[in-house]
Amino acid sequence: EAGVTQFPSHSVIEKGQTVTLRCDPISGHDNLYWYRRVMGKEIKFLLHFVKESKQDESGMPNNRFLAERTGGTYSTLKVQPAELEDSGVYFCASSRTVGPYNEQFFGPGTRLTVL
Amino acid sequence: AQSVAQPEDQVNVAEGNPLTVKCTYSVSGNPYLFWYVQYPNRGLQFLLKYITGDNLVKGSYGFEAEFNKSQTSFHLKKPSALVSDSALYFCAVRDKGGTGFQKLVFGTGTRLLVSP
Repeated sequence: EAGVTQFPSHSVIEKGQTVTLRCDPISGHDNLYWYRRVMGKEIKFLLHFVKESKQDESGMPNNRFLAERTGGTYSTLKVQPAELEDSGVYFCASSRTVGPYNEQFFGPGTRLTVL
Repeated sequence: AQSVAQPEDQVNVAEGNPLTVKCTYSVSGNPYLFWYVQYPNRGLQFLLKYITGDNLVKGSYGFEAEFNKSQTSFHLKKPSALVSDSALYFCAVRDKGGTGFQKLVFGTGTRLLVSP
């Protein structure tokens, strides 16, 4: 089966611009997660979708970030307006089920650079 | 809140030697622990997990990890390192989200460099 895919792989934008990241989970995976790694630091959870519903968005840093998952398939993460501290690698992951035993499959990430 | 610590930014080892990448955790309740690896220009790949049972967990690519409850550690090990093992390794613990065990809490990562 195809893995989690993310687009674009890299994005370079200027401060104040808008960027939209896309994630396509593994087919049949109802659970979709967004994570972010700022340079040299830990990978941090942003939010979790179950189908099209936001189950947990406790990690979203502020209201400049908007995540959607219309139809419960792919998801987008929009940053508007982007700030310098938003630079980092944004990972998407998906899983079929929830619970402590389930494995999250990660995509390759989108490297975002805000100048 | 759950957390993990990876005390080493980088680990250097010669090919053929054993390797250890350290991880300690802090959890309330039973720990659900994971190791992921990120090769250059690739996504995070699952290596292994500890949920319950044997303290020595075997995973992909010949890696294993030892769960030590008294030392709250979950160190990643491999008996004989390969140059191709050079990558970024992340330890993680499962944390409770809005409705149960959902999100992963990661450490800062350890870069493993295996020299020929």
